[in-house]
Amino acid sequence: EDQVTQSPEALRLQEGESSSLNCSYTVSGLRGLFWYRQDPGKGPEFLFTLYSAGEEKEKERLKATLTKKESFLHITAPKPEDSATYLCAVQADYAGNQFYFGTGTSLTVIP
Amino acid sequence: NAGVTQTPKFRVLKTGQSMTLLCAQDMNHEYMYWYRQDPGMGLRLIHYSVGEGTTAKGEVPDGYNVSRLKKQNFLLGLESAAPSQTSVYFCASSSNREQFFGPGTRLTVL
Repeated sequence: EDQVTQSPEALRLQEGESSSLNCSYTVSGLRGLFWYRQDPGKGPEFLFTLYSAGEEKEKERLKATLTKKESFLHITAPKPEDSATYLCAVQADYAGNQFYFGTGTSLTVIP
Repeated sequence: NAGVTQTPKFRVLKTGQSMTLLCAQDMNHEYMYWYRQDPGMGLRLIHYSVGEGTTAKGEVPDGYNVSRLKKQNFLLGLESAAPSQTSVYFCASSSNREQFFGPGTRLTVL
């Protein structure tokens, strides 16, 4: 049973065209939801942690939000350098120190 | 700070050979993890450790062993490599919040 589902699998945007990536989760007792960015051939790079519904975090053109069932990563006026795969992960109370990852959204921003 | 480092970066093995992947972190983190990443499968947890001298199984532990003799190091061993273990392996460390990842090891088993 999937714990974390990300959509869409791939997204192509024109430079400046804002959009959102979705991460839905089925775990109960959420301890934290994490967003990462992964560039080709590199390890994931931490972006945000969200702990409770209603929480929001921002960094440059990225804004992450959290509800009881899903999280959104909003990208405002993206630039080509925002092209990457964005991964979502959750940590649940019942899973101790384990993290469950989604399969990611591959974002391409076209100049 | 180097963060999380992994050696080697690339390796090609023949079926049945053994090898050890080394992960080192300099952030004094208690928790360390080994993942494999395959196309369309996302990151899957192999083994993890909650402190020096401890290890625990993750989602896909079969065919792998780990050791955490020192707090800063976490070793992943393949005793008898199989083609199904061809993957990119990532190590991560954490203070029980966000994880910090190494650059990965690309392993091919022929």
